[in-house]
This record gives sequence, C-alpha cells and structure tokens, in this order.
Amino acid sequence: DGGITQSPKYLFRKEGQNVTLSCEQNLNHDAMYWYRQDPGQGLRLIYYSQIVNDFQKGDIAEGYSVSREKKESFPLTVTSAQKNPTAFYLCASSIQGFSPLHFGNGTRLTVT
Amino acid sequence: GQQLNQSPQSMFIQEGEDVSMNCTSSSIFNTWLWYKQDPGEGPVLLIALYKAGELTSNGRLTAQFGITRKDSFLNISASIPSDVGIYFCAGYPDPSYNTDKLIFGTGTRLQVFP
Repeated sequence: DGGITQSPKYLFRKEGQNVTLSCEQNLNHDAMYWYRQDPGQGLRLIYYSQIVNDFQKGDIAEGYSVSREKKESFPLTVTSAQKNPTAFYLCASSIQGFSPLHFGNGTRLTVT
Repeated sequence: GQQLNQSPQSMFIQEGEDVSMNCTSSSIFNTWLWYKQDPGEGPVLLIALYKAGELTSNGRLTAQFGITRKDSFLNISASIPSDVGIYFCAGYPDPSYNTDKLIFGTGTRLQVFP
C-alpha cells in the first residue's frame, strides 16, 4: 500500500540534544512538507521541498533543519536551538505544488 | 498574509443531527480542501474542490467552493459517533498573491453525543 510513514510514533529527548524525525513516502510524490502542531492549535509549516536537493523555509523554520537527498525521504532535525521543541510533528507529501497534501500519522516529540 | 477564518471553533451535537461549518478569507482561493484529524493521527483528506461553485459529496459529507472564491462550506448529514474529530479547511490562494503554500484554518472540533 502506498503511503507516508513517520517514525517513531513517540520520541523522548533531553534538552540540548538534537533529534531527527524520519519521513518516508512511496507515493512517488515530488513535494514533501513538515508541519508542527501544538495542543488545540492548527498546523504551522516548518520546511518544504518541491524537488530533490532543494527545500525552502516555512513560517517557523528557526531551530530546525532538513535534507532532501532522495525523493522518498525528507528527515527533519530538531536542533537544540529550537526553544520549545515539544510538539506533534506531521510530515506530508503532494504529487506536485498546488495539489492536496497527504499526511503521515505524526511523531509526538517530548523534550524534558 | 492570507488567513482562513474557520467557524465554529467547536460543536457539540447529538447523534443524527446535521453539521455545518465554514471557512472564510479576505483573499481569493483557487483550491479548497477539507481534512479530518482523529486524536493522535495525521489529517485525512475528505474532499477537494477546484472550481467556484463546485459542490462535491463524499458519503454523508458535502462541501462547496463558494462562488466568491473567498469561502468554503462543509456539511455532515446524520452525524454518527465516529464523526468526532477536528475538521480543517485548507486552501491554495490565487497565484496573484505570490505564494505556493497551503493555508490552513484553525479547525472545528466536533463532539457527537449518543
């Protein structure tokens, strides 16, 4: 079955550590996205990539980094510079720009 | 920037009732999307709309692309307990706004009581 896989589902880290969230898709989609969702809030765009080896900052990119070395993969690193990293992180992909996004099931990151 | 105002913020209804929610903006949109998110899961696409005036159904769900291109509506008929969740509208603004980002509404939290 085609889809988007995020792993792990739950992640716990100590403050000051970098952590990388995985996102893989087998939908053959060109575009991939990372969103952050806080309790009771909407979705805020962190980074997005329309094509391999290229990505753009979203609305809240500070303290995060990404890479897009393969079409299928778009890992997100939450660095120690991110002031408030505890959140629910959602990865999405779309066939191309201006198309509906398809989401993974999220990773809940808790930093203490 | 473009913003989507989604209302109501939350709804508490009885099983069997119909539900209406909407999304409005001061900007013109070319695409409207409606998603449902269950607790702890990612949003799932319910309906996509691409043309002003378009009315599209998906089972008990019906959504419309407003004729002004500044709003969209989602109706759920004969609600059932599994309709519980958060419903998000989203849209791609007209290219004249020079953005390629999908804009999300703040969500409508639906609670259904038996």
